[in-house]
Amino acid sequence: NAGVTQTPKFRILKIGQSMTLQCAQDMNHNYMYWYRQDPGMGLKLIYYSVGAGITDKGEVPNGYNVSRSTTEDFPLRLELAAPSQTSVYFCASSYGLAGGGPYNEQFFGPGTRLTVL
Amino acid sequence: AQTVTQSQPEMSVQEAETVTLSCTYDTSESDYYLFWYKQPPSRQMILVIRQEAYKQQNATENRFSVNFQKAAKSFSLKISDSQLGDAAMYFCAYRSAVGGGADGLTFGKGTHLIIQP
Repeated sequence: NAGVTQTPKFRILKIGQSMTLQCAQDMNHNYMYWYRQDPGMGLKLIYYSVGAGITDKGEVPNGYNVSRSTTEDFPLRLELAAPSQTSVYFCASSYGLAGGGPYNEQFFGPGTRLTVL
Repeated sequence: AQTVTQSQPEMSVQEAETVTLSCTYDTSESDYYLFWYKQPPSRQMILVIRQEAYKQQNATENRFSVNFQKAAKSFSLKISDSQLGDAAMYFCAYRSAVGGGADGLTFGKGTHLIIQP
């Protein structure tokens, strides 16, 4: 059971380039999330998904896109990278309403450190 | 929208002593969940302790306990017998009880805890 995995661990992009951050979970969780963590700050929600084919915007969605074609995978796409997107990106997952218990704990991946120059 | 405030950017404590980290939050909801996460230099987000708003009894996990004051919207974390391994960033987080937390966690900016040997 690998939990939540993210690739790559580190990446440097040039302004205007695009890339996809990969996230996968093997816990059969329904809910998945993308957060970003800027230096000295807490995590902020970018996008979330409650199941395959269903996604919604979080607090800071501008400049990002997501898709959820399977329960396991939730990639985050950056189009036209900008220096403001330099951050650490975390993917997380949880069971959701069924099976997660009252706390429905979120499990986090190890993060991807992205630098845009 | 909910907000979480951690007013102590940095705290320092002697090894084996007790330290309390502060967290306040703002919400109009009556049912919700509160969490403390630890983030060591490895960046991994580790759940330390959790509390449901409807439970009056304060949560305890080994050396970690909380002081939950619902009326004051306060959720402080007490670490007893501090150990060198406790050194990390600590984040307070809020989650709505609606929808199983589908719209993610709201985090404070964090407190950097330093343990003096």
